[in-house]
Amino acid sequence: DTEVTQTPKHLVMGMTNKKSLKCEQHMGHRAMYWYKQKAKKPPELMFVYSYEKLSINESVPSRFSPECPNSSLLNLHLHALQPEDSALYLCASSHAMTGTPNTEAFFGQGTRLTVV
Amino acid sequence: AQTVTQSQPEMSVQEAETVTLSCTYDTSESDYYLFWYKQPPSRQMILVIRQEAYKQQNATENRFSVNFQKAAKSFSLKISDSQLGDAAMYFCAYRGFLTQGGSEKLVFGKGTKLTVNP
Repeated sequence: DTEVTQTPKHLVMGMTNKKSLKCEQHMGHRAMYWYKQKAKKPPELMFVYSYEKLSINESVPSRFSPECPNSSLLNLHLHALQPEDSALYLCASSHAMTGTPNTEAFFGQGTRLTVV
Repeated sequence: AQTVTQSQPEMSVQEAETVTLSCTYDTSESDYYLFWYKQPPSRQMILVIRQEAYKQQNATENRFSVNFQKAAKSFSLKISDSQLGDAAMYFCAYRGFLTQGGSEKLVFGKGTKLTVNP
């Protein structure tokens, strides 16, 4: 199984709503990532979890709150978002130690988020 | 900090022809990994090819091959016998090398949009 599964695929939310994005992998990867991608731009890193601990936070506003309940799951809780937060949100996973043979990140299909 | 530069925002190629996408990077590390990812309109990022910096031999995966020039910090992707399904955004990416537990972020270039003409 080399899949990273993200739900939902599409989400429309109002600026006062609270919603969550979910990501799941069963490849035994201990590093998991959230990226934000605007149209025709590269993915921008938001958060990295390594061994279920937050290891990188790229100065993301507090209206985005990540959570890693276990080694297979990664959530992104959304609250009071702005229209400019509309984007494709990508989850990825990889081996945490790059001394292993395969170091590439596997990506999910993303959640297309629209904030109205 | 590491940076990745893709100088070709768009490229086009005729079906069955060969095209080369350019990528340069900047790093002070001696060991690292380089990747080419493809993102079709379906939006999923798909790994095309991987290169370990400590390996002198250029990586190949079927119709895809790289020209890795470590001293020049250059990592170009060659697509041979281009197919319509190769049309996508292509991102070059860099990841540092760690021997202990932890993680290192993937640094992406801005991407090259490849069009394949029938």
